[in-house]
Amino acid sequence: GAVVSQHPSRVICKSGTSVKIECRSLDFQATTMFWYRQFPKQSLMLMATSNEGSKATYEQGVEKDKFLINHASLTLSTLTVTSAHPEDSSFYICSARNGETGELFFGEGSRLTVL
Amino acid sequence: DQQVKQNSPSLSVQEGRISILNCDYTNSMFDYFLWYKKYPAEGPTFLISISSIKDKNEDGRFTVFLNKSAKHLSLHIVPSQPGDSAVYFCAASQRRAGTALIFGKGTTLSVSS
Repeated sequence: GAVVSQHPSRVICKSGTSVKIECRSLDFQATTMFWYRQFPKQSLMLMATSNEGSKATYEQGVEKDKFLINHASLTLSTLTVTSAHPEDSSFYICSARNGETGELFFGEGSRLTVL
Repeated sequence: DQQVKQNSPSLSVQEGRISILNCDYTNSMFDYFLWYKKYPAEGPTFLISISSIKDKNEDGRFTVFLNKSAKHLSLHIVPSQPGDSAVYFCAASQRRAGTALIFGKGTTLSVSS
């Protein structure tokens, strides 16, 4: 079964609203979580790295005020897309690193559609 | 600047034949390489990995070869099956540094029966 769970798997929202995506590690403590974004027929692009209890590190070109990342516990990281616009429509995927083994696990992804 | 490149966007192979997917990288600090399989609207599924101290790793029908001097790796699938049809992503990281995976653009493999 899945060891990293993302919720929701699909979300449709109106332009201007905010959407929160959750990423949970189910049976391990994730000291580090990564957020990726994938456009159709494109690669998975790293957006940011979040370490539990500290601020996320964003990749160049990713707006930190638009994509708010919170990693408040060792099993949960959230990505909030604020004031969403149609160009934010994408597939968002999280990845969690097992703090003990170093293994990386991916969530199932969340499809965001902004109307 | 793309650090991980998959120059073939697609590959078509007949069932039973070998599929060879290629990947090149530019960052000599990468020490860990992985291949993932992905279906639309799903997260990537881990297939096989290789550490930079090795040049080959085999798992069933899947074999990954690493040529560090050429900064090149390849995934061989033998024999190919229709169920292998998917997008395959090559990824690399600095494992000791604990960095995120950097992905290539993917290669769509189609295996026909």
